[in-house]
Amino acid sequence: DTEVTQTPKHLVMGMTNKKSLKCEQHMGHRAMYWYKQKAKKPPELMFVYSYEKLSINESVPSRFSPECPNSSLLNLHLHALQPEDSALYLCASSPSGEGIYGYTFGSGTRLTVV
Amino acid sequence: DAKTTQPNSMESNEEEPVHLPCNHSTISGTDYIHWYRQLPSQGPEYVIHGLTSNVNNRMASLAIAEDRKSSTLILHRATLRDAAVYYCIQYIYGQNFVFGPGTRLSVLP
Repeated sequence: DTEVTQTPKHLVMGMTNKKSLKCEQHMGHRAMYWYKQKAKKPPELMFVYSYEKLSINESVPSRFSPECPNSSLLNLHLHALQPEDSALYLCASSPSGEGIYGYTFGSGTRLTVV
Repeated sequence: DAKTTQPNSMESNEEEPVHLPCNHSTISGTDYIHWYRQLPSQGPEYVIHGLTSNVNNRMASLAIAEDRKSSTLILHRATLRDAAVYYCIQYIYGQNFVFGPGTRLSVLP
């Protein structure tokens, strides 16, 4: 299995809802990442987990809450989002936290906040 | 901040080679150069990466300048499926990937 699987592919949520995005990989990778991508812009790093510990939080608002229950699974919990949070949310993994290896990205979850 | 600069867009004819340039003038000896591409409505896809020597794989070739301040991604025969945004990333040891704006490649039939 050489894929990163993200679910759901599409999500529409209201500003008072709580929802979660899920990311899974079975390649034995020990680093996992969340990126946010707005239309026609490059991906922006949000969070990095290395060996199941949060190592990077790029000043992301607390309405985004990451969780790494085990080495194969990464969640992003969403609460009280704003319309400007609508974007493509990408998950990626790599063998370790070092960029000497390539990253594998999922296809993303397209989130719309109404 | 992204450390690389790339042209905003390029065009190529189908079945011709494409050379996508990237400048990374602040690169140090331990920084890797990675290339990813992103097709519409998909996540970025790994293309190739290297440190000092030229690299080849089934998708592309990476030519790194001798001073390492620039590199070129070479697609040997462009197809319509190669139309995408191509990102050149300078990986700085101990940090994380920072994507620049990328080059939007159009392939003309």
